Amino acid sequence: DAGVTQSPTHLIKTRGQHVTLRCSPISGHKSVSWYQQVLGQGPQFIFQYYEKEERGRGNFPDRFSARQFPNYSSELNVNALLLGDSALYLCASSQPQGPQRPQHFGDGTRLSIL
Amino acid sequence: QKEVEQNSGPLSVPEGAIASLNCTYSDRGSQSFFWYRQYSGKSPELIMFIYSNGDKEDGRFTAQLNKASQYVSLLIRDSQPSDSATYLCAVKSNFGNEKLTFGTGTRLTIIP
Repeated sequence: DAGVTQSPTHLIKTRGQHVTLRCSPISGHKSVSWYQQVLGQGPQFIFQYYEKEERGRGNFPDRFSARQFPNYSSELNVNALLLGDSALYLCASSQPQGPQRPQHFGDGTRLSIL
Repeated sequence: QKEVEQNSGPLSVPEGAIASLNCTYSDRGSQSFFWYRQYSGKSPELIMFIYSNGDKEDGRFTAQLNKASQYVSLLIRDSQPSDSATYLCAVKSNFGNEKLTFGTGTRLTIIP
């Protein structure tokens, strides 16, 4: 079975632009979470969606938004890009919610802001 | 106090020895604990998860959890050069969502 797929793999943008990142979860997984990982740090939680509803939001500005589609795929949108948004953006999916359900990560989208 | 703390390392271990990675967490309501391995330039890969006190073994890997001490560890037996990576400890709390809180990771190098 295919794992979590993310696109694009790499992206270069300039300050002030906006970006859309895409994620397809593992087949059968209904929960999708987004994380931001800057160099030398652990991933930071941005959003979680389950059954198309937002179930969690991390400490990120309103420039960050996301949605989940009926097929459980998801998009992360970032507006008014700043240099500090340069990071690896990770999508993770899991089975229906529960404490013992591990999240599996995609390969990530590496976003560079010039 | 950070929510999840790990020894930043780097940690160097001879090939064939046991590597011990440690993690402490601050939220007593935490339910599940995960270890991810991340190679340079790659995404995190799930190694093990544990949610009950005690030990859980999977091949060369053993996760240990002590909720009273708010401590979780990962032991890697018979360390191989391919185990050289950054190991991330992640904790999930009982907030009704899937949020994982990660430590900054421990960089492990296995010396041949």
